[in-house]
Amino acid sequence: LAKTTQPISMDSYEGQEVNITCSHNNIATNDYITWYQQFPSQGPRFIIQGYKTKVTNEVASLFIPADRKSSTLSLPRVSLSDTAVYYCLVGFIPISSGSARQLTFGSGTQLTVLP
Amino acid sequence: EPEVTQTPSHQVTQMGQEVILRCVPISNHLYFYWYRQILGQKVEFLVSFYNNEISEKSEIFDDQFSVERPDGSNFTLKIRSTKLEDSAMYFCASSTGTGAPRVKNIQYFGAGTRLSVL
Repeated sequence: LAKTTQPISMDSYEGQEVNITCSHNNIATNDYITWYQQFPSQGPRFIIQGYKTKVTNEVASLFIPADRKSSTLSLPRVSLSDTAVYYCLVGFIPISSGSARQLTFGSGTQLTVLP
Repeated sequence: EPEVTQTPSHQVTQMGQEVILRCVPISNHLYFYWYRQILGQKVEFLVSFYNNEISEKSEIFDDQFSVERPDGSNFTLKIRSTKLEDSAMYFCASSTGTGAPRVKNIQYFGAGTRLSVL
């Protein structure tokens, strides 16, 4: 499994864009990059997933450079309710059914949004 | 939006007692998982389940633990003789896997059951 490194914590103010970068220097060719969000006393929630370049959905954007050794989760115009722990996960995505994979969570980044 | 539901939200038990944690995965999902998170620590994988059998399990998932899908909707985690160190949040998750290529293993988590062993 590729080891990931992300900041332990970040602070931001409401309305700002937040970028959380994750390093994964030993990412393998078949690995995808997935981000989850976790609020206190709740289960992790899927945010976004990508393989290369840029992916955008209604919640966030994910930027992945050509060498794929890092990725950046971008949250536009954060609000107080975006205060949570954000996890970067790197792993193999199965290409056929019958081979689901466990998720391996690191310590994540505690994002605190201030008023 | 479909969701994974877990009951109870909080379970208090005495050390040595058996507990069963219950989960209803999303209805068209085929893969089921249990994770746990001790207070202040990482989310840890316990076990995955597919086609009525265990697919993978971690070293945490020893003989005290078992999983079952007793009917078409429920997925349970049983701890036979609870220990103090079993106190944690237990999360159930499920994912789809219907044979399409590039299944992305996006797992959907329930809100968790807080297990307190006294």
